[in-house]
Amino acid sequence: KNEVEQSPQNLTAQEGEFITINCSYSVGISALHWLQQHPGGGIVSLFMLSSGKKKHGRLIATINIQEKHSSLHITASHPRDSAVYICAVLRGAQKLVFGQGTRLTINP
Amino acid sequence: EPEVTQTPSHQVTQMGQEVILRCVPISNHLYFYWYRQILGQKVEFLVSFYNNEISEKSEIFDDQFSVERPDGSNFTLKIRSTKLEDSAMYFCASIGPYNSPLHFGNGTRLTVT
Repeated sequence: KNEVEQSPQNLTAQEGEFITINCSYSVGISALHWLQQHPGGGIVSLFMLSSGKKKHGRLIATINIQEKHSSLHITASHPRDSAVYICAVLRGAQKLVFGQGTRLTINP
Repeated sequence: EPEVTQTPSHQVTQMGQEVILRCVPISNHLYFYWYRQILGQKVEFLVSFYNNEISEKSEIFDDQFSVERPDGSNFTLKIRSTKLEDSAMYFCASIGPYNSPLHFGNGTRLTVT
């Protein structure tokens, strides 16, 4: 079983819809990252969380340490949000374990 | 904004050859990483590097792999004798102090033929 599971694996929505991507993990972590991977392959860090909630523009990330669960929300989604969103957990000080990613497609 | 830069962007090599992938992390960052992503698969941790030594490595990072920070700016990943299954995108990343965000390079696509 993967240590980090994301759902859904694929998500297609219409422009303007509210998007939620979920991440569950089964191991102790020191932090959780949400990353965005563009079609060209580049990876950008969106959030690093160890508790609570963070917001940046239209993106919101939450984490529930007790339930070992995190969500990434996108409000007022736009076609430029189309990308693969990756949840990765930090085990110990150094090792990141990645989820398999959620491929998001926003249609105009 | 400062960036992590990787060179080359694409490298093609023959099986059994040595390759060196190069990365220039952000200058005041302290921790450096290599990850790889085989086409269609998830990103995998290879190695982390701090204070001029390996701090953690995965089971993928066997004796064929090595890392160096030869001159205080470059951070290199060497694969001594490449195998077909080493074909992947290799990402370098670095992080500064105090839980700052991870910064990734754009990756080097390695193709082993």
